[in-house]
Amino acid sequence: ETGVTQTPRHLVMGMTNKKSLKCEQHLGHNAMYWYKQSAKKPLELMFVYSLEERVENNSVPSRFSPECPNSSHLFLHLHTLQPEDSALYLCASSHRGQGGYTFGSGTRLTVV
Amino acid sequence: QKEVEQNSGPLSVPEGAIASLNCTYSDRVSQSFFWYRQYSGKSPELIMSIYSNGDKEDGRFTAQLNKASQYVSLLIRDSQPSDSATYLCAVKGPPERTSGSARQLTFGSGTQLTVLP
Repeated sequence: ETGVTQTPRHLVMGMTNKKSLKCEQHLGHNAMYWYKQSAKKPLELMFVYSLEERVENNSVPSRFSPECPNSSHLFLHLHTLQPEDSALYLCASSHRGQGGYTFGSGTRLTVV
Repeated sequence: QKEVEQNSGPLSVPEGAIASLNCTYSDRVSQSFFWYRQYSGKSPELIMSIYSNGDKEDGRFTAQLNKASQYVSLLIRDSQPSDSATYLCAVKGPPERTSGSARQLTFGSGTQLTVLP
């Protein structure tokens, strides 16, 4: 596989469920990102991982928990989500400090 | 306060015309600028990057940057119906907002472009 791969493509979960989103990049990049995209709003940066260092947006609720076991894999663990968390969750990668980002195809999340 | 501003549109142009998309940003020290295209239901795709004042051309696309005015634009010549999408402007944040040397992109809310056949 090439590029940035995200699974699952679609996810419906109840507010009491626990689920995880997975992202894998095959580009040799060394930084990975989680973005949230809601309707009519700008892409919102949630988390950044670069050389095992994590940078986070302080406005992201603790019900979202990232994990980055190595430079090629990124997870977003979800628990006790709210309906307003329904959105498109995008993973991206880049060379640290250089150029634009390459995005995965996203996970469309619906919280019921 | 928004950091990257775009006219949300929708912007409609006839096929073959020039589409002009505009973006302003608030951080004067921003150094890198990108245009992404996002088709409905798809993820953003990088189409142009620009780092210095002036114009940069790539096929039918021209990016223009004016750092003094904090303004970046994208021109699409000979617009085609397949260009119909949302165009996102992204600005790379100033170094002091990063940890290590990771630098984060800040996106505008996008301009929806429709090219009419």
